[in-house]
Amino acid sequence: QQQVKQSPQSLIVQKGGISIINCAYENTAFDYFPWYQQFPGKGPALLIAIRPDVSEKKEGRFTISFNKSAKQFSLHIMDSQPGDSATYFCAATPGWGSTLGRLYFGRGTQLTVWP
Amino acid sequence: KAGVTQTPRYLIKTRGQQVTLSCSPISGHRSVSWYQQTPGQGLQFLFEYFSETQRNKGNFPGRFSGRQFSNSRSEMNVSTLELGDSALYLCASSPRGFEEQFFGPGTRLTVL
Repeated sequence: QQQVKQSPQSLIVQKGGISIINCAYENTAFDYFPWYQQFPGKGPALLIAIRPDVSEKKEGRFTISFNKSAKQFSLHIMDSQPGDSATYFCAATPGWGSTLGRLYFGRGTQLTVWP
Repeated sequence: KAGVTQTPRYLIKTRGQQVTLSCSPISGHRSVSWYQQTPGQGLQFLFEYFSETQRNKGNFPGRFSGRQFSNSRSEMNVSTLELGDSALYLCASSPRGFEEQFFGPGTRLTVL
């Protein structure tokens, strides 16, 4: 079963707009929540990550919002640029237990930013 | 620091053959994970190695195997290739497995 659910599947945003991608999870053992950006023909690149002890983390134009009680987290891309057009994956991994070292990925969001 | 490297970058094989893919992690990283990426199934976890030991394994048949060497380099092997094994195979390295994972560029495997 899909342990991390991601939406939307695709997103079209105008240049300068805000892109928002949402993810939800059920497993309370998840302790680390990264976002990856992937361009065609490349491996996923780590963009930003958060742990459940903070509700928000910002790095440049990228912000993760985290709601522990709702088991949801989201990526906000401010002032979206055409160069941000890529596939974005949310993921989660536990900090302990038998599945240590395993990332559980969402299905991905294809973001297109129109110039 | 150099990033994660994977060789070869592209492979074309026929059904029934076997293939070995290689991954060199970031220096100092002891955890290496392998993932299969396909348009239909997304990113699926194959297995993870830490200090030469397989720590956990995803839901793939026994045709998929791996190993890790004392220098943390890892290989994965797929025997008796099937058409459905065509995918991008990614490896990721991490210091200990429960922190950030950094991905290599992948090996694109095509099975004819």
